[in-house]
Amino acid sequence: EDKVVQSPLSLVVHEGDTVTLNCSYEVTNFRSLLWYKQEKKAPTFLFMLTSSGIEKKSGRLSSILDKKELFSILNITATQTGDSAVYLCAVGGSNYKLTFGKGTLLTVNP
Amino acid sequence: DAGITQSPRHKVTETGTPVTLRCHQTENHRYMYWYRQDPGHGLRLIHYSYGVKDTDKGEVSDGYSVSRSKTEDFLLTLESATSSQTSVYFCASAISLSDEQYFGPGTRLTVT
Repeated sequence: EDKVVQSPLSLVVHEGDTVTLNCSYEVTNFRSLLWYKQEKKAPTFLFMLTSSGIEKKSGRLSSILDKKELFSILNITATQTGDSAVYLCAVGGSNYKLTFGKGTLLTVNP
Repeated sequence: DAGITQSPRHKVTETGTPVTLRCHQTENHRYMYWYRQDPGHGLRLIHYSYGVKDTDKGEVSDGYSVSRSKTEDFLLTLESATSSQTSVYFCASAISLSDEQYFGPGTRLTVT
């Protein structure tokens, strides 16, 4: 059974801090790892990492994938209050379905 | 984001009644998914569809059925709602199995 574990479960920081969110996984025939941001609504897509794309960056957000050690990290630099959300990690395996972690709740205080 | 809508957005129903939730997408995506999201469990797949009239079960499919008669519509039916099915339900769609999924706004269902 595919498994995704995110840590920490919650995190409180101040504006301007840099944060690192972790995602470790066990999956049969890894295909992709995805990061989503969820505010009080639907998850919105951030990044997808695959064997051919193990590092992604968009503005203050960046993510890397370590296929050997079976984990990914999501970095957010110079955090803003608008970054407050639940960050979800999901992994796609051989059954072509996504398995989601339980998420990391990030709170950025002014 | 993909144009995905869900209806209704909120629903309160009584135990034992049938309930149908609708997902509609305008992106011509082949793949569609129904998830439920509960505290402590995260997002869990109920059913998914890989084409018109082609569906398969996810990890929490008991008590749910789905239908897809058109590319753009994916219906989730709770045959006889129970209190354990109180949850937030999200629909998602994707171009292919290897692509990212885009989520609808969610339906909050309360079974009393």
